[in-house]
Amino acid sequence: SQQGEEDPQALSIQEGENATMNCSYKTSINNLQWYRQNSGRGLVHLILIRSNEREKHSGRLRVTLDTSKKSSSLLITASRAADTASYFCATQPLGGGGGNKLTFGTGTQLKVEL
Amino acid sequence: SQTIHQWPATLVQPVGSPLSLECTVEGTSNPNLYWYRQAAGRGLQLLFYSVGIGQISSEVPQNLSASRPQDRQFILSSKKLLLSDSGFYLCAWGTGTGRYEQYFGPGTRLTVT
Repeated sequence: SQQGEEDPQALSIQEGENATMNCSYKTSINNLQWYRQNSGRGLVHLILIRSNEREKHSGRLRVTLDTSKKSSSLLITASRAADTASYFCATQPLGGGGGNKLTFGTGTQLKVEL
Repeated sequence: SQTIHQWPATLVQPVGSPLSLECTVEGTSNPNLYWYRQAAGRGLQLLFYSVGIGQISSEVPQNLSASRPQDRQFILSSKKLLLSDSGFYLCAWGTGTGRYEQYFGPGTRLTVT
């Protein structure tokens, strides 16, 4: 079963606007990660936030984590057409889980229009 | 630097035929290896993972099997494909030593006809 559920499923914005995607999960986690997937390609790791962190930044990306609500958000500021992709959250269970395995959400399809 | 290869990139196979997808990693030793399947427009489903040679953990009972004959080689197989095996198959690796990110290959698009 999918641990993470992203919201919205699809998002269309204009270039230069900010994009916010949300992820909810069900069980206690060790960390939460965000990945990007361009159409027909493999996933690319964007950012990891540990369960004891509340906010993390990487370039134009800002991730927040609220473990009490079991939710996370990914903010992409000043979006560009090249940001068009699907974005997935992935959770690692508390204790690491066998093999450090991840459970992926269903993804948000972001389209950035010129 | 590390790289991960998957082949073939695309594959069209008839129902009942065998399958072998290969994944190899370069530039790292003793990685954790993972096979995922992604249905059209959906998230990733973990199929198998391996923490060492010959060690395979199955996440979902199904028509597929995996093997790890060498440290940096991971193979996904089936003896007889089903229509429901169609999808996008992704291989990934992780260090398994205090870092939890996974790094993905380019994927194999499998269509079973």
